[in-house]
Amino acid sequence: EVPLLESGGGLVQPGGSLRLSCAASGFTFTTYAMTWVRQAPGKGLEWVSTITDNHGPTYYADSVKGRFTISSDNSQSTLYLQMNSLRAEDTAVYYCAKEWEGSFDPWGQGTLVTVSS
Amino acid sequence: QSALTQPASVSGSPGQSITISCTGTSSDVGTYNLVSWYQQHPGKAPKLMIYEVSKRPSGVSNRFSGSKSGNTASLTISGLQAEDEVDYYCCSYGGSRTRWVFGGGTKLTVL
Repeated sequence: EVPLLESGGGLVQPGGSLRLSCAASGFTFTTYAMTWVRQAPGKGLEWVSTITDNHGPTYYADSVKGRFTISSDNSQSTLYLQMNSLRAEDTAVYYCAKEWEGSFDPWGQGTLVTVSS
Repeated sequence: QSALTQPASVSGSPGQSITISCTGTSSDVGTYNLVSWYQQHPGKAPKLMIYEVSKRPSGVSNRFSGSKSGNTASLTISGLQAEDEVDYYCCSYGGSRTRWVFGGGTKLTVL
């Protein structure tokens, strides 16, 4: 059983939209904050967004604020990231991760988003 | 939301110990004991190695240890092995606005 499984990545034109999903299993989804982290090709990790447990407050990196929206469906144990007004610099592998004891564990396998014309 | 500062690369010989530093500010590393370290193999998802500055998750080798002094956290790997030759990232809680900040990553070379 894979604890976190992302989907929804792909090729999109600049200015376009994409919705990523992260299906969770093996833990009580509602009791943990969940986070999206991205990694541009050949670059380091960048925190993108967090939703606290039980549909609580949401947080965004300045680089995506106003364009990305994080949400969750507790009945489906699924995390989402709606990405609008996509830019070339949003090209990255997007990972979802469970927040645990002030860290991220586990991580999904990642889904690649490519923004290009 | 400035990234934490890590050396781009460190190296050591098999059996030796190395330390990777992670320098932040009084708004993140210096204030919160929520520093974590991740190991990442090429093309794979990061793996948690250290949490809350110095705690090891179940299953992580005791060759990995963490510490913090002021605004700088450190990851020490003792008894270097060839399999340790991958990338390492630090991360710190940055408060209610910033939430989380990562370091730029360090590539470890085992000579």
